[in-house]
Amino acid sequence: QKEVEQNSGPLSVPEGAIASLNCTYSDRGSQSFFWYRQYSGKSPELIMFIYSNGDKEDGRFTAQLNKASQYVSLLIRDSQPSDSATYLCAVNIYSSASKIIFGSGTRLSIRP
Amino acid sequence: EAGVVQSPRYKIIEKKQPVAFWCNPISGHNTLYWYLQNLGQGPELLIRYENEEAVDDSQLPKDRFSAERLKGVDSTLKIQPAELGDSAVYLCASSPGQGNSGELFFGEGSRLTVL
Repeated sequence: QKEVEQNSGPLSVPEGAIASLNCTYSDRGSQSFFWYRQYSGKSPELIMFIYSNGDKEDGRFTAQLNKASQYVSLLIRDSQPSDSATYLCAVNIYSSASKIIFGSGTRLSIRP
Repeated sequence: EAGVVQSPRYKIIEKKQPVAFWCNPISGHNTLYWYLQNLGQGPELLIRYENEEAVDDSQLPKDRFSAERLKGVDSTLKIQPAELGDSAVYLCASSPGQGNSGELFFGEGSRLTVL
């Protein structure tokens, strides 16, 4: 089992709709969770982080964390073509020593 | 504020040749990371520095890879000799403060092609 798992996609969503991206992790001791966006040919950039169970909203983005079920999700409301990118989930794994592990990413495509 | 600077952006070498990548982190960022990213995959940690100290190098293939961060600022990642499987993008990232906050600022990466 991979430490951080994501569906590779592509996930195709019509413009203006809600895009839902999911991520599961294996280490129950993980404390902090991150979403990075990576445009094709570019490097990852941090867009959201969440530490506590529940929802965290920032503009059109909402991160959701459920530690009991070991999943974290990212919702993008009013999806725009500029949201088309690969979204990487990252988890700070504390199993042995603190280590930030990235998932393989979900490719999101917003169709006009 | 200047971002993380990496060089070279692109490098093409033949197998068994050496190669080096350089990284200048954001000013004041104590933590520096080197990640490797293959196409279609997420970044994989090679090494993490806190100031000059390599605090996590457990995933660095030490038979051919080496890294240093002199004076706790710039860092260099070296591969010698390079193998075909080393073709990837090498990402440098920095983070403010100490510890593994997860709030990483990435450079543009160095794309290596080994022929």
